[in-house]
Amino acid sequence: RKEVEQDPGPFNVPEGATVAFNCTYSNSASQSFFWYRQDCRKEPKLLMSVYSSGNEDGRFTAQLNRASQYISLLIRDSKLSDSATYLCVVNLYTGGFKTIFGAGTRLFVKA
Amino acid sequence: DAGVIQSPRHEVTEMGQEVTLRCKPISGHDYLFWYRQTMMRGLELLIYFNNNVPIDDSGMPEDRFSAKMPNASFSTLKIQPSEPRDSAVYFCASSYARLLSGANVLTFGAGSRLTVL
Repeated sequence: RKEVEQDPGPFNVPEGATVAFNCTYSNSASQSFFWYRQDCRKEPKLLMSVYSSGNEDGRFTAQLNRASQYISLLIRDSKLSDSATYLCVVNLYTGGFKTIFGAGTRLFVKA
Repeated sequence: DAGVIQSPRHEVTEMGQEVTLRCKPISGHDYLFWYRQTMMRGLELLIYFNNNVPIDDSGMPEDRFSAKMPNASFSTLKIQPSEPRDSAVYFCASSYARLLSGANVLTFGAGSRLTVL
């Protein structure tokens, strides 16, 4: 079983749609969680951190459920510029901070 | 700050040749990570260092791969001999870990795209 699992998609949505991505992780000792965004042929970049209480950044909402080992990302009012791959990320401390990426979920937003 | 700097950006080589990828992390960062990305396998963690010391190299595919970090401002990933299946984008990333919060936010370099013929 992979340490971090995501639905690869692709998700094809029209502009203005709401889309949700899910992610599960296998190690219950995981300590911190993030969503990164990767544009085509570019490096991954931090989108937002994920907290148990849930957190928002504009049109983006992230949620963590530690009991279910589940992370989500909700994008409201999708824009063409949101088209990218969204990577779920988990940090695990094992003598050092091991940072594990999911394979990513591809999103295409259409006009 | 110039960010994480990787070189070369692109490399095309023939099977059996030695490949050396280089990385300069952000000054002051105490972690350095090497990842490999392919369409089939996504972003795989190969090895990471904390304060120049290798902590976990369990992701290194085989003995043909080696990584070093001789000082806080430089790391190399070497493949010898290279094989066609090593073709991928290799990313270096660095971070400053916040132990109390458990947060470790990575900044990536632009990547080195390797093609082994």
